[in-house]
Amino acid sequence: EIVMTQSPATLSVSPGERATLSCRASQSVSSNLAWYQQKPGQAPRLLIYGASTRATGIPARFSGSGSGTEFTLTISSLQSEDFAVYYCQQYNNWPPAYTFGQGTKLEIK
Amino acid sequence: EVQLVESGGGLVQPGGSLRLSCAASGFTFSSYAMSWVRQAPGKGLEWVSAISGSGGSTYYADSVKGRFTISRDNSKNTLYLQMNSLRAEDTAVYYCAKVRGYCSGGSCYEGGWFDPWGQGTLVTVSS
Repeated sequence: EIVMTQSPATLSVSPGERATLSCRASQSVSSNLAWYQQKPGQAPRLLIYGASTRATGIPARFSGSGSGTEFTLTISSLQSEDFAVYYCQQYNNWPPAYTFGQGTKLEIK
Repeated sequence: EVQLVESGGGLVQPGGSLRLSCAASGFTFSSYAMSWVRQAPGKGLEWVSAISGSGGSTYYADSVKGRFTISRDNSKNTLYLQMNSLRAEDTAVYYCAKVRGYCSGGSCYEGGWFDPWGQGTLVTVSS
């Protein structure tokens, strides 16, 4: 099983500042990585797929980078609606054995 | 607009059974793999199961293999999850999600990222 490890567990950032979230895979997943945002009481929402492609309707302040085992989600200028939990997920296996990171909670500083 | 609406959750005793449904609309259902993902209270996301667009291939997490069965009725645009021998640790919100396919290195795969997700249905296993 590919283990996904996110860091930090909690990130405190002020509105308007940049946030950088990390995700590491226990073995290479190429660029087969997605990022999701989840707000309390809501379903996850896709932000990024293919490690760096923004999903439809996602603002340009969200960007993804990385390949292999190291990935980063960057939010360039935090808005109030961005404070949420963020998950990475790999989809490199076939047959599928998807795994998620444990999540990073982005909170207001 | 793509919509996924789960139903069938509730309270069930340990060892009991439950069947979840996910009604899909707004896309050609049979053309896409579908998946179930769960989230225990206050915890992260855990993939549970996936099924190909035709229904001919199914996949399970080790934690549910042999107890859960995923299926679909493409004539009704509906995804199912039959859950048997339920345990307390199966308590979670269960989400269905449309699986996006992708191509890489000259090959194309039916199983990629999840988009969109339904609103979820809560399953509580307790005596």
